[in-house]
Amino acid sequence: GAGVSQTPSNKVTEKGKYVELRCDPISGHTALYWYRQSLGQGPEFLIYFQGTGAADDSGLPNDRFFAVRPEGSVSTLKIQRTERGDSAVYLCASSLRTGGINTEAFFGQGTRLTVV
Amino acid sequence: AQTVTQSQPEMSVQEAETVTLSCTYDTSESDYYLFWYKQPPSRQMILVIRQEAYKQQNATENRFSVNFQKAAKSFSLKISDSQLGDAAMYFCALGTGYALNFGKGTSLLVTP
Repeated sequence: GAGVSQTPSNKVTEKGKYVELRCDPISGHTALYWYRQSLGQGPEFLIYFQGTGAADDSGLPNDRFFAVRPEGSVSTLKIQRTERGDSAVYLCASSLRTGGINTEAFFGQGTRLTVV
Repeated sequence: AQTVTQSQPEMSVQEAETVTLSCTYDTSESDYYLFWYKQPPSRQMILVIRQEAYKQQNATENRFSVNFQKAAKSFSLKISDSQLGDAAMYFCALGTGYALNFGKGTSLLVTP
């Protein structure tokens, strides 16, 4: 597609449930990132993929969070046993090549997750 | 550790006027980039301007320019001839690897 696509746009789930958030990057972009933006804050880094592998998952807050990118394109962020504190906007971004700091990252419109 | 501080939670400017948004940062890296992103209500982060730390010349993009003071670790954004469409959240970000470190943002209101 023309831009980074994230689905769903909004997701409401009950505490304790499992959720999956999808990111479809720009075609040809090998680098993919997930960020979390809590209310009133800037985005915080969660995980970085180069191709199919997670090159850096140091930003994932705990083992309830997991992300995959099995074919090096679409990525899914998975959250188990959701908690109210997981409520946030989850942003995905992609960039060309190795995704170095001089490579522009293009962001999607995010998924707003609300845990009730 | 990398930190980015935006000390202005909200700013207001009249249409056609000029406004400056402040940002300070801290890093021990010698090679880094600085960015300003705009986030409208649609939530999509849009790159406004970026600055390579090794370049002394301040970056400009049409009505947007930066004042990069490397020794002071300051990176302010100047918006000239403000337009109603400039109203949004503005985030300063520091890139030292592949991930970006963002400040808390400044909400810019543009009044007619």
